[in-house]
Amino acid sequence: GESVGLHLPTLSVQEGDNSIINCAYSNSASDYFIWYKQESGKGPQFIIDIRSNMDKRQGQRVTVLLNKTVKHLSLQIAATQPGDSAVYFCAEARGGSNYKLTFGKGTLLTVNP
Amino acid sequence: GAGVSQTPSNKVTEKGKYVELRCDPISGHTALYWYRQSLGQGPEFLIYFQGTGAADDSGLPNDRFFAVRPEGSVSTLKIQRTERGDSAVYLCASSPDRVWSGANVLTFGAGSRLTVL
Repeated sequence: GESVGLHLPTLSVQEGDNSIINCAYSNSASDYFIWYKQESGKGPQFIIDIRSNMDKRQGQRVTVLLNKTVKHLSLQIAATQPGDSAVYFCAEARGGSNYKLTFGKGTLLTVNP
Repeated sequence: GAGVSQTPSNKVTEKGKYVELRCDPISGHTALYWYRQSLGQGPEFLIYFQGTGAADDSGLPNDRFFAVRPEGSVSTLKIQRTERGDSAVYLCASSPDRVWSGANVLTFGAGSRLTVL
């Protein structure tokens, strides 16, 4: 069925490096995408979002890229810090049910000091 | 409050028992959501409230699950005749409204971890 998924389940980087977390989605009707960060024992925390009419959006140290042609979403984290270690989820929402998020499986990011 | 509060943080129960999980959303948020997160998975949608009414309960797995929000603020997720497969973290989230905008994102609580023995 249609789903949102991640290419890499784990990612290990050195402190100060840039990180890229990827996500594939299969539903072309999806028009809103969000990245969440989840630390152990906590709920998901909003990082950044992007609408389908955009290709790129930047936040503080983070950039989300959307490629609708290949249905691919990525999260770039600049100068990764130990505090960025967490599980990262992409999620999609669709048109009329834009409150109903569909989450991917998640990528575990580990930042080595 | 400052964030979404969920109680209990941990609940261990026996198969067949009844449990209630409580969510206290951010003050003033009209939209409230329940999600379930199994180990190693992303959260899965259960139910959405706009005010007091359940606007969409299509994610509830079966009729053993029920949720209420009688005064449009606090919500309770109720699970009858619990089964081992119900073990998961139950997450609650709230947002100012259902309409997506730059500021209208879901804020999640820390979750209630339910273990059914």
